[in-house]
Amino acid sequence: DAMVIQNPRYQVTQFGKPVTLSCSQTLNHNVMYWYQQKSSQAPKLLFHYYDKDFNNEADTPDNFQSRRPNTSFCFLDIRSPGLGDAAMYLCATSLDQTFFYFFGPGTRLTVL
Amino acid sequence: GEDVEQSLFLSVREGDSSVINCTYTDSSSTYLYWYKQEPGAGLQLLTYIFSNMDMKQDQRLTVLLNKKDKHLSLRIADTQTGDSAIYFCAERDQTGANNLFFGTGTRLTVIP
Repeated sequence: DAMVIQNPRYQVTQFGKPVTLSCSQTLNHNVMYWYQQKSSQAPKLLFHYYDKDFNNEADTPDNFQSRRPNTSFCFLDIRSPGLGDAAMYLCATSLDQTFFYFFGPGTRLTVL
Repeated sequence: GEDVEQSLFLSVREGDSSVINCTYTDSSSTYLYWYKQEPGAGLQLLTYIFSNMDMKQDQRLTVLLNKKDKHLSLRIADTQTGDSAIYFCAERDQTGANNLFFGTGTRLTVIP
């Protein structure tokens, strides 16, 4: 089945230790998004890739980076995680000019 | 930027109808969505409505849209305990890569 996959589902890291979260999709969608959802809050867009073009939201901290080596994969890198970065990270995809968005199951990040 | 608001909590008895409300600010929004999030899980698209529609029905779900008041509601008929979750309203950004802006989420609790 076509889908959006996120690995790992649960990630524990130490304060300041770099961590990478992974998202892959079999939908061949050209747009991929990373959202951060803190406890009891709405998902908040961090950035998105429109094809190969990276688009950062204005208030996304520099600590957060992303890579998209090909259409199928997108990575979220947190260079120096702080306690405030503990959250659920959601990956989503969409196909240009359509209105359907497909979300992955999320990766829950814990920072010790 | 867009602002999407929802009440935080709703409790209903099993078998009753639930109505979850949402207000949004972007009058140019063409698509509006309802997502369901169960504990520890990602976002599941429940239903959506185009801005040129007033109502959409899908089995137990009814979406009402009042464009004049920028008000969206989701009615769940015959609410079941499995409907207990957080429900997010979202509107589609009309600029850039058509990002989704989410409301704060409404936690629905169904009392047996």
